[in-house]
This record gives sequence, structure tokens and C-alpha cells, in this order.
Amino acid sequence: GENVEQHPSTLSVQEGDSAVIKCTYSDSASNYFPWYKQELGKGPQLIIDIRSNVGEKKDQRIAVTLNKTAKHFSLHITETQPEDSAVYFCAASTGGGADGLTFGKGTHLIIQP
Amino acid sequence: KAGVTQTPRYLIKTRGQQVTLSCSPISGHRSVSWYQQTPGQGLQFLFEYFSETQRNKGNFPGRFSGRQFSNSRSEMNVSTLELGDSALYLCASSVAVSYGYTFGSGTRLTVV
Repeated sequence: GENVEQHPSTLSVQEGDSAVIKCTYSDSASNYFPWYKQELGKGPQLIIDIRSNVGEKKDQRIAVTLNKTAKHFSLHITETQPEDSAVYFCAASTGGGADGLTFGKGTHLIIQP
Repeated sequence: KAGVTQTPRYLIKTRGQQVTLSCSPISGHRSVSWYQQTPGQGLQFLFEYFSETQRNKGNFPGRFSGRQFSNSRSEMNVSTLELGDSALYLCASSVAVSYGYTFGSGTRLTVV
């Protein structure tokens, strides 16, 4: 089945700087890659997603890039703010495949004031 | 519009008992999925339902089961609870299978 590796496990950046979280996947059939943000006591919140026919997608301060050849995708957050502090999860899916979403282990993003 | 609603929020059960968790999806969403979240294993897929039919199932023992009703509401059941079943159980709904999931806040199950 699919395996998703996520790095780093913890990321500390100064407020206003950029943050980058990277994920790799193993199943070349995966074609859907969402990113979730989870705050303490809450469920994961979908922040951006990308499908395999697109190389990059942006939404205000957040962007995701996908390299299908290398089987990796990344989350970029610019101009970080204190409210960006949370745990971020990447995931991969074959879109209707047998395993639902396969998640990475998460990145704890800490925004230092 | 209302989000995904999971009840109860917290639950304490004794080993060997069974438990039923409930999920009400976003209105119009026909796909409901369940995930288990633990510190050690992270987020793991349990199963997915669409129009009352189980579409996909993760690698969990048969003690874990679920169903979906005609109004898209879903329940999951865990029988013969074990200590290792202690986890946050998350429900997610979407318009289509395997895309664009919206998660609820989860049910925190503690088995003692």
C-alpha cells in the first residue's frame, strides 16, 4: 500500500518568515494530495489540496508544489503568523482506491514571535 | 453551514465492552469516512461509506465495523474493546469518494 513520509517533525520559524514542509509518497498511482492543519482539541482542517495533473497551487499565503517524477510534494507558508502554529499533515490518495487517505506523521509548526 | 458533527465528544469504556460512535456529515455530503488517530500510529484509515455502501476498508480487525444510513449519517462500532483502542476517532465527509474531506472534531475514546 501507499506510504507517506513527512519532514521535518518539528519546525520553528520566526514570525514573518516562510515555512516549508516536505512529503514523499511511494505509490505512483496516487493522484490526490491534500494538506491538513490540526489545532489542539480539533479535527484536521483541509487547507489546500492538489491533484496530479497540476504542478502548483496557491491560496493567499499558502502554496503546494507537486513533483510526480520524484514523488514528492511540499507545503509553503509565507509571511507566517502566530495563528499558523499547529500540526500540519500531508496525505495521499489514489482517489477511490482501497486505502482512503494515507497520512504523513505530521509536522509541529511553531511560530516564534 | 453546519460542519461534521460527532457524538459523543468523550467516552470512557472498560476493556471487553463495545462502543458505538456517531457522525452526522455536512448536508449534501454522501461520503463518510472514519479514521483513528493515536500518538504512535498517527492518522489511519478505517473505512469509507458512500450511499450506504462500504467502499473501502483499512487494515483493522473485524472488531471495527460501521454503517451508513439513508440520510448519510454514519455510525462505527468497536466490539470487545482493548486498551490499544484508546484513540481519537475522526469522521470526515465529502461530496465524492476520496476527495475534499471535511473532518469533525472527533470522539476521544479511552479504554480502561
